[in-house]
Amino acid sequence: EAGVVQSPRYKIIEKKQPVAFWCNPISGHNTLYWYLQNLGQGPELLIRYENEEAVDDSQLPKDRFSAERLKGVDSTLKIQPAELGDSAVYLCASSPRQGPYNEQFFGPGTRLTVL
Amino acid sequence: DAKTTQPPSMDCAEGRAANLPCNHSTISGNEYVYWYRQIHSQGPQYIIHGLKNNETNEMASLIITEDRKSSTLILPHATLRDTAVYYCIVRGVSGAGSYQLTFGKGTKLSVIP
Repeated sequence: EAGVVQSPRYKIIEKKQPVAFWCNPISGHNTLYWYLQNLGQGPELLIRYENEEAVDDSQLPKDRFSAERLKGVDSTLKIQPAELGDSAVYLCASSPRQGPYNEQFFGPGTRLTVL
Repeated sequence: DAKTTQPPSMDCAEGRAANLPCNHSTISGNEYVYWYRQIHSQGPQYIIHGLKNNETNEMASLIITEDRKSSTLILPHATLRDTAVYYCIVRGVSGAGSYQLTFGKGTKLSVIP
């Protein structure tokens, strides 16, 4: 079974440029998460989707970050414009359904460098 | 979610048991203890979880103290591939926080040949 797929794996951009990250969760997984991981820190949740609905986006900086999961399958996270402080790893995860017993399966992440 | 405290780093000789401690003194009765690990340049990977009984799977064992204020993850025969950051996470079973994993800084385990 294929795992969570993310692309690109690495992205280098100049500040003020836009950037987008793509995630394809494990087939059949209704819940999708985007996390941000700064160097030396654990991942922090940005947004959680249940199917196509963003049910928790309280940690998403909405002035420059946006996300979508139009058909309830794959998802895109966008930053516009990017700032130097956005340099980090952006992780996508999925799980089959809500609840405390379900492990989250993580993709390899996209490492963003903003120059 | 309850906070957890882990040592920032540990070393373990290859082939020996690795015992990773975690303190969660403010855990509430309906919160589970989860362990994930993150190998360099990869996303976190689920290892094991438990409520109050000890748990074992093909990857590890989880020992939770009777008062549930601390736990230990045991890798019985550590290999070089077990070198990773290990995260201990306390997670609720109901409400808005039941889905959420709140990661700390974890313990960097180095398995030494």
